[in-house]
Amino acid sequence: NAGVTQTPKFRILKIGQSMTLQCTQDMNHNYMYWYRQDPGMGLKLIYYSVGAGITDKGEVPNGYNVSRSTTEDFPLRLELAAPSQTSVYFCASRLDSQETQYFGPGTRLLVL
Amino acid sequence: LAKTTQPISMDSYEGQEVNITCSHNNIATNDYITWYQQFPSQGPRFIIQGYKTKVTNEVASLFIPADRKSSTLSLPRVSLSDTAVYYCLVGEIAGGYNKLIFGAGTRLAVHP
Repeated sequence: NAGVTQTPKFRILKIGQSMTLQCTQDMNHNYMYWYRQDPGMGLKLIYYSVGAGITDKGEVPNGYNVSRSTTEDFPLRLELAAPSQTSVYFCASRLDSQETQYFGPGTRLLVL
Repeated sequence: LAKTTQPISMDSYEGQEVNITCSHNNIATNDYITWYQQFPSQGPRFIIQGYKTKVTNEVASLFIPADRKSSTLSLPRVSLSDTAVYYCLVGEIAGGYNKLIFGAGTRLAVHP
């Protein structure tokens, strides 16, 4: 199993541009999450999904959108990039019978 | 969701035992205590989880007193590779919405 994979690893965006951060897991986990981590800080939950077709907001959803058309994929969309969205983004997944979340390697985003 | 408090940073030397204590005074009956480890430029990784008393695995031990208002992560004989940020999280296990609240964590530096 590859676990949780994220692409791209690093991206520079200009203010106002849009992009999609990709997240895929091959563990057949029904729960998936998107977090952001600012320098020196803990992770903050952006959006989560309890299964295909079901998503909900976390702590800091403004400026982001998600979709979950399949169990494996959970893309995060930034429509109008802002400097405040400069951060490292982590995707995670877990089984509903377990507490443990498995994290991807992260995507580093810089908005200039 | 119970708030957790842990030291911002700790220093140790190779071969020593490291104990990181986390306070969670408002822990609920259904809450479990989970510790994650994060290396620079990587996503968090699950270390250990417990509900009460003591839990031990191949990586660490977790001590939880009877009142469950605190917990202590114990890392035996640390090495340089244990230098990382350690997060203590409290939340309900399994089922429903699982939201992990990450604080700033404890930055452990292991010196030669």
